[in-house]
Parts: sequence; structure tokens; C-alpha cells
Amino acid sequence: DGGITQSPKYLFRKEGQNVTLSCEQNLNHDAMYWYRQDPGQGLRLIYYSQIVNDFQKGDIAEGYSVSREKKESFPLTVTSAQKNPTAFYLCASSITPRQGQAFFGQGTRLTVV
Amino acid sequence: KNEVEQSPQNLTAQEGEFITINCSYSVGISALHWLQQHPGGGIVSLFMLSSGKKKHGRLIATINIQEKHSSLHITASHPRDSAVYICAVIRNSGNTPLVFGKGTRLSVIA
Repeated sequence: DGGITQSPKYLFRKEGQNVTLSCEQNLNHDAMYWYRQDPGQGLRLIYYSQIVNDFQKGDIAEGYSVSREKKESFPLTVTSAQKNPTAFYLCASSITPRQGQAFFGQGTRLTVV
Repeated sequence: KNEVEQSPQNLTAQEGEFITINCSYSVGISALHWLQQHPGGGIVSLFMLSSGKKKHGRLIATINIQEKHSSLHITASHPRDSAVYICAVIRNSGNTPLVFGKGTRLSVIA
């Protein structure tokens, strides 16, 4: 079955370390997205990609980096420059950026200690 | 003003009650999603709508494109329905294709 997979579901890291969150989809979707959710808050856009080898910053891109070398994969790196990295991270994808059903990963809960 | 507004922010209901959660948006869209997020859990897509009405079990979702409004209804609510319900729209123009509401936190009490 096609779908979108985020891993791991829970992740713990020490402060100052970079960490990479995985997002893979086998839906042949062009568009992929990363969002961050803080307790009691809505989901905010970090980065999105409309096509391979291209991506755009969202509202809260500082301290994060992404790559889109393959259509299926859109990993997110939380760098040590991110001041408050502890949060819930959600990956999503859609056929194109403007049309079609969006699919959502299960999310990764990152805790930095 | 947020492009996607949900109401109410918080909702407490007695088991068995009929529940309505509203979503209004101010941008042109190609589709709207209703999502469910349980405490500490991931996100599950309940519905995708581009027009009309959809039903799945005790859940009903409607959308009025002209009025830029969607509702999620839960009939015969149950404590296991307690979760955060999130409205998300796929914009048909602008910089950010997929935009989320802030969510409605529902608690159903037995």
C-alpha cells in the first residue's frame, strides 16, 4: 500500500547535536512538507518542496535544513542553531502543491535534553 | 488574521451528544482536510473534501465553497472521540500550499 512514513516516532537528543528526521513516500507525489507543532499550538510550516532538487523556506525555517535529492525522500535536519528544538514534527505530501489529496505521516516527537 | 480559523478552540461534551466543529478560511482552495490527533499520538486523516458532504461511521463532514466554510459533525459522541481535530486547506494560489487551523480540542466525558 502507498503511504508516507516518518521515522522514528520518538527521538531523544542531547542539546547541541544535529538530528535528522526521516520522511519517505511511495505515492509518487511531487510536493512534500515539514511542519512543527508546539504544545497547544497549531502546525507551522518549516520547509516545503514542490519538486526534486528544489525547496522553499516556510514561516520558521531558521535552525533547520532539508534536502530533496530523490522524489521519495525529504529529510529534515534540526541543527544546533535551532533554539527550541523540542516539538512534534509532521511530514506531509501531495500530488502537486495545489491539487490532490494530501497525505500525512504519523509524526516524530523530538525531545532535546 | 489566520487564513484558516477553527471554532471552538476547546469543547467539552457529555457522551452521546451531537458535536459540531467549524472551520472558516479566507483563501481560495482546491481541497480541505479534517484531521484527528490523539494526545501524544500522530495525525490521522479523517476526510478530504472539495465539495458537498462525506460520511464515515459517526463522522460527517460538509463544505460550502461559496461561503468558505466547513463543518465536522460527530453523532453519538464517545469518550474515545476525545482528541484534537484540525482543519487543513490546500490553497490554489499563494506561497504556502498547505495551511492548517490551530485545532479544536474535544473532550467527551462519560
